[in-house]
Amino acid sequence: GNSVTQMEGPVTLSEEAFLTINCTYTATGYPSLFWYVQYPGEGLQLLLKATKADDKGSNKGFEATYRKETTSFHLEKGSVQVSDSAVYFCALMKTSYDKVIFGPGTSLSVIP
Amino acid sequence: DGGITQSPKYLFRKEGQNVTLSCEQNLNHDAMYWYRQDPGQGLRLIYYSQIVNDFQKGDIAEGYSVSREKKESFPLTVTSAQKNPTAFYLCASSARPANEKLFFGSGTQLSVL
Repeated sequence: GNSVTQMEGPVTLSEEAFLTINCTYTATGYPSLFWYVQYPGEGLQLLLKATKADDKGSNKGFEATYRKETTSFHLEKGSVQVSDSAVYFCALMKTSYDKVIFGPGTSLSVIP
Repeated sequence: DGGITQSPKYLFRKEGQNVTLSCEQNLNHDAMYWYRQDPGQGLRLIYYSQIVNDFQKGDIAEGYSVSREKKESFPLTVTSAQKNPTAFYLCASSARPANEKLFFGSGTQLSVL
């Protein structure tokens, strides 16, 4: 079946450090891939997306590239801020499905 | 402001009791969803509705029920058959089914007394 795997957290970084959160997926065909972010006490928000192989999604300094050959969609940011502290969810959607499948989430804490 | 409103923010359930979580949206979205969030397990889909008066079971529907009598409302009832209801419940909507941009409410934390 379709599934998403993420690196286990929590991840703790100092401000201005480089961030990578790994995400790999299992799915047939060419799913669309997403990163959602959940700030403390809130619901999830769409952070970025990519809909085909080699696409790069980007938003708010975050980037992720759709790698079909490694079935991956790793999230990166060059310099994290305290305000980036949140839980990050990788997700996929098959065009033939009418639901989004989420990974388990990775908690990020950025300390000053 | 357009968005999704979930209430209450915190809810407590007694043994054998049914409780209902409210979800209202004013985004004019066709599709609505209920997810359950447990620590370390991410989000699991309980029920979803693509259109008024229609809904389908998700991955973990047992012990839950829903209705979709109005476009803007999708309440979730946690019945006494749900033996482990303690979790964070998130409601979401999308403009149309299979649209990947989900808009989420701020959630309801349900706990068992």
